[in-house]
Amino acid sequence: DADVTQTPRNRITKTGKRIMLECSQTKGHDRMYWYRQDPGLGLRLIYYSFDVKDINKGEISDGYSVSRQAQAKFSLSLESAIPNQTALYFCATSDPNSRGNTQYFGPGTRLTVL
Amino acid sequence: AQSVTQLGSHVSVSEGALVLLRCNYSSSVPPYLFWYVQYPNQGLQLLLKYTSAATLVKGINGFEAEFKKSETSFHLTKPSAHMSDAAEYFCAVSDGFQKLVFGTGTRLLVSP
Repeated sequence: DADVTQTPRNRITKTGKRIMLECSQTKGHDRMYWYRQDPGLGLRLIYYSFDVKDINKGEISDGYSVSRQAQAKFSLSLESAIPNQTALYFCATSDPNSRGNTQYFGPGTRLTVL
Repeated sequence: AQSVTQLGSHVSVSEGALVLLRCNYSSSVPPYLFWYVQYPNQGLQLLLKYTSAATLVKGINGFEAEFKKSETSFHLTKPSAHMSDAAEYFCAVSDGFQKLVFGTGTRLLVSP
């Protein structure tokens, strides 16, 4: 079984709709992250959480919100989706005790906003 | 602030040829450096990482990278390319405490 899972894997929605992407992990890591990937831009950090009570904005948090429901669950919401939020979204986890804060990624959610 | 530059958005090699993917970094503190690989329709998989131990780091699938502080580089190499190496490769830098900063990626194309 995968250590980091994301649901759904693919989603097509319309402008203005509220969307939630979910991430679960069985690695026991405290730290979780949400990134978006766009062609030619690499991965950019949206939000991150170092524990259940800690939420931090990344470099591109506008238009997004998150919820850390438990150590193992971290959800990303688009309150009112717009077409330029069409992208591949990745969840990641890390163990702060690992050298370098190595991050481990889920399989991704491909989101299309029409 | 930290940043990563990957030279070449696409690199093409023939099967059996040397693979060289370039990564230069900028960091105000001693960096931790990573290479990740993304196969089509999959997430990112850690290939290797530099964490201030040996400067030559060996990873999975025959890849290795050398940390050169004087050149602020962490280039990824593999002596002999295989068709299965075709993927997108990302270099990333971290201060070891918080976030990873990624490069824009290099797509490796391998021809028969």
